[in-house]
Amino acid sequence: QSALTQPASVSGSPGQSITLSCTGTSSDVGSYNLVSWYQQYPGKAPKLMIYEVSKRPSGVSNRFSGSKSGNTASLTISGLQAEDEADYYCCSYAGTHYVFGTGTEVTVL
Amino acid sequence: EVQLVESGGDLVQPGGSLRLSCAASGFTFSTYWMSWVRQAPGKGLEWVANIKHDGTQKYYMDSVKGRFTISRDNAKNSLFLQMNSLRAEDTAVYYCATSTNHATSSWGQGTLVTVSS
Repeated sequence: QSALTQPASVSGSPGQSITLSCTGTSSDVGSYNLVSWYQQYPGKAPKLMIYEVSKRPSGVSNRFSGSKSGNTASLTISGLQAEDEADYYCCSYAGTHYVFGTGTEVTVL
Repeated sequence: EVQLVESGGDLVQPGGSLRLSCAASGFTFSTYWMSWVRQAPGKGLEWVANIKHDGTQKYYMDSVKGRFTISRDNAKNSLFLQMNSLRAEDTAVYYCATSTNHATSSWGQGTLVTVSS
């Protein structure tokens, strides 16, 4: 049950688009279209941003989009805004359990 | 509005036990899978366990199997996590969360468990 691999940090300027990667294995990300993404501000509970690879819950901005190719899932944030500065975690179903990613800190320059 | 309120977190010695509770409201608790997710101080999220809406299926991460037990009381809209043989590495904020579409959709604010002598 090893954590999915995410880059430690990604940065971008306001208005830019950034893409966060999430690399797993053929036992988790590669086997199921059940990847979700979470946004977390310091000291706060996480918030679901994307589920089932690319679906957005009600109320989540359409600036957030998800995709997957092979064992790697991606979260793209377009039109980057100051309020997007947070930690982001991916998560994948892995058969009988779930595995989270190592997390990416997004900085808005 | 979905509301999840965790309680029971405390300072406990290694080898000790603790029972976490989660009071749910604002949704039909008995129809949802529920999960516990934890986060060690300054670290990432870690899925701990989940339980089917009727309690008939339960799953755990490897490192807590045999030590932690997830349960629920649908009559009282409550989720529990019994934690035994606690270790220093179990120190974390524990979140209660609803599970829909294989994602944790709503989260509580968490309760802190500290395992230390």
